[in-house]
Amino acid sequence: GESVGLHLPTLSVQEGDNSIINCAYSNSASDYFIWYKQESGKGPQFIIDIRSNMDKRQGQRVTVLLNKTVKHLSLQIAATQPGDSAVYFCAETNDQAGTALIFGKGTTLSVSS
Amino acid sequence: GAVVSQHPSRVICKSGTSVKIECRSLDFQATTMFWYRQFPKKSLMLMATSNEGSKATYEQGVEKDKFLINHASLTLSTLTVTSAHPEDSSFYICSASGGARENYEQYFGPGTRLTVT
Repeated sequence: GESVGLHLPTLSVQEGDNSIINCAYSNSASDYFIWYKQESGKGPQFIIDIRSNMDKRQGQRVTVLLNKTVKHLSLQIAATQPGDSAVYFCAETNDQAGTALIFGKGTTLSVSS
Repeated sequence: GAVVSQHPSRVICKSGTSVKIECRSLDFQATTMFWYRQFPKKSLMLMATSNEGSKATYEQGVEKDKFLINHASLTLSTLTVTSAHPEDSSFYICSASGGARENYEQYFGPGTRLTVT
């Protein structure tokens, strides 16, 4: 079964607001985490990743935070835009060749103008 | 980044027939490919892991005789849904790894929408 879950199934924000999407994982052996964005009818699109030896990583408008103590992962999107509307999944794995990703349940982000 | 394609993008077939879905890594050699299934408004569920030249490893609950996976080359894996039924209707997504600097990097295909009537 799934070992990665999300706290909120939907999140609605106004354009320009900051968005925070959360994720909890349960496998202590996981050492690599990824956030994906999936638009309707398309495959997952890589957003940002983080390894377990880090607690924060920043990209363009996105930041991932990792709290290993409570096994919590979050994705922060700054100045959310309508084009950010999609389903966001966290996924976990470990740094072994051929290891599959385990996906969380997903959060639907809706951005209104 | 690396490119993974799937064909067809969508397919409609009649109940009882078989349908084949292809997953190709276009610019790298994929030693491992993964097949996922996604129902509407649900997450991706791993079906099987496929290593080139080896039999696929199926997840618990996935019927290997119904979902035939072949990974005969480093750039192609196929998923054949045999004797399809309406409950097999779903979005099938593949991913591939092996061409990246890091072992864990995977590249996803665009998905195949299967509708069984």
